[in-house]
Amino acid sequence: EPEVTQTPSHQVTQMGQEVILRCVPISNHLYFYWYRQILGQKVEFLVSFYNNEISEKSEIFDDQFSVERPDGSNFTLKIRSTKLEDSAMYFCASTRADSYEQYFGPGTRLTVT
Amino acid sequence: AQTVTQSQPEMSVQEAETVTLSCTYDTSESDYYLFWYKQPPSRQMILVIRQEAYKQQNATENRFSVNFQKAAKSFSLKISDSQLGDAAMYFCASSDSNYQLIWGAGTKLIIKP
Repeated sequence: EPEVTQTPSHQVTQMGQEVILRCVPISNHLYFYWYRQILGQKVEFLVSFYNNEISEKSEIFDDQFSVERPDGSNFTLKIRSTKLEDSAMYFCASTRADSYEQYFGPGTRLTVT
Repeated sequence: AQTVTQSQPEMSVQEAETVTLSCTYDTSESDYYLFWYKQPPSRQMILVIRQEAYKQQNATENRFSVNFQKAAKSFSLKISDSQLGDAAMYFCASSDSNYQLIWGAGTKLIIKP
């Protein structure tokens, strides 16, 4: 069964550094999402992406964040200058055009020191 | 704005017994979907069951079923014949017309052998 994949599984970075989190959505899916989950807290929506542009973004998704679909398979989340409070689990999800059901990747644990 | 509330931070149940996890939501949307996701210690987000708001019939997936009360904006999850592998965090989520998921705070389910 096709699945969403994410790399790396765990990323440790120093405050102020740039990180890129990578996702490979399911191949025939058209909508892509990033969510984050700070340890012990609820999952929060960051951004949705469709047709090579952002369709929705939350207040969390400020100028430090950007997303890109550089080729036909990868979907990336970049954090330009990481802060301690960016430490969280980041989930990528994708969905078909005719469905509300989002398929999640295994997540990337980002630790900012 | 949509909100999802899970009022039970933790629930425990004896193996083979039945447990119900509560969820209420608030939305101004006329068309929306509701979901229950399971997050085991691996932190992978796994879809358990989904409900289309326009359907009156409660969704069922094997041992998992929902009690969807649209007027009351309630969406509870019933797990029958609880198994040790059911132990996890369970998140209720709703999807709006923009397809983004709004999440509850989660309920930790403990299965007692």
